[in-house]
Amino acid sequence: DTGVSQNPRHKITKRGQNVTFRCDPISEHNRLYWYRQTLGQGPEFLTYFQNEAQLEKSRLLSDRFSAERPKGSFSTLEIQRTEQGDSAMYLCASSFVVGQGYSPLHFGNGTRLTVT
Amino acid sequence: DAKTTQPNSMESNEEEPVHLPCNHSTISGTDYIHWYRQLPSQGPEYVIHGLTSNVNNRMASLAIAEDRKSSTLILHRATLRDAAVYYCILTSNAGNNRKLIWGLGTSLAVNP
Repeated sequence: DTGVSQNPRHKITKRGQNVTFRCDPISEHNRLYWYRQTLGQGPEFLTYFQNEAQLEKSRLLSDRFSAERPKGSFSTLEIQRTEQGDSAMYLCASSFVVGQGYSPLHFGNGTRLTVT
Repeated sequence: DAKTTQPNSMESNEEEPVHLPCNHSTISGTDYIHWYRQLPSQGPEYVIHGLTSNVNNRMASLAIAEDRKSSTLILHRATLRDAAVYYCILTSNAGNNRKLIWGLGTSLAVNP
């Protein structure tokens, strides 16, 4: 178990550029989540996947944001035409859930995006 | 999901117990209480969760009030590594962690 891995750790981009982040969850985990966290705030839910299916998206996830999880393994989060307000830490988490059973979220250390 | 209220910050001395309070006066009968913590420059880390009864694990203890309107996370002997932001979160069932609603948490400082 190597934990949840996120790449890159830091990304600096100019406004208007597209960026893509990658998340590799714990291998046997069927759920994968994306959160966004700005300085001094708690994480905010963006979206989550059950295997390869994207089951829920937050209203925070504008049409410039898209997430995929092909084959139910790693996931990518793409932001098109970045804006300065997109500057934040993007956190990925995974868990293994069967029915109503409990499984805590396992988080990666995030990708910090700075839009200049 | 019901809202939680936590103090913005707390301070403790190394090797002393720490009691981190959380108020959740609008909790419903099916809400679980979760605690996560976030060390500097890291993602959040699960600490403990419970429903009605007090819970213990290797990291901490969770004491839940009889009316469930408040709970306390107990670190039995604080270490410098316990300096983090601690989040108290409610979800409507144990498996419903798909969109935990996070507040601002309590920033814990541990003095050597």
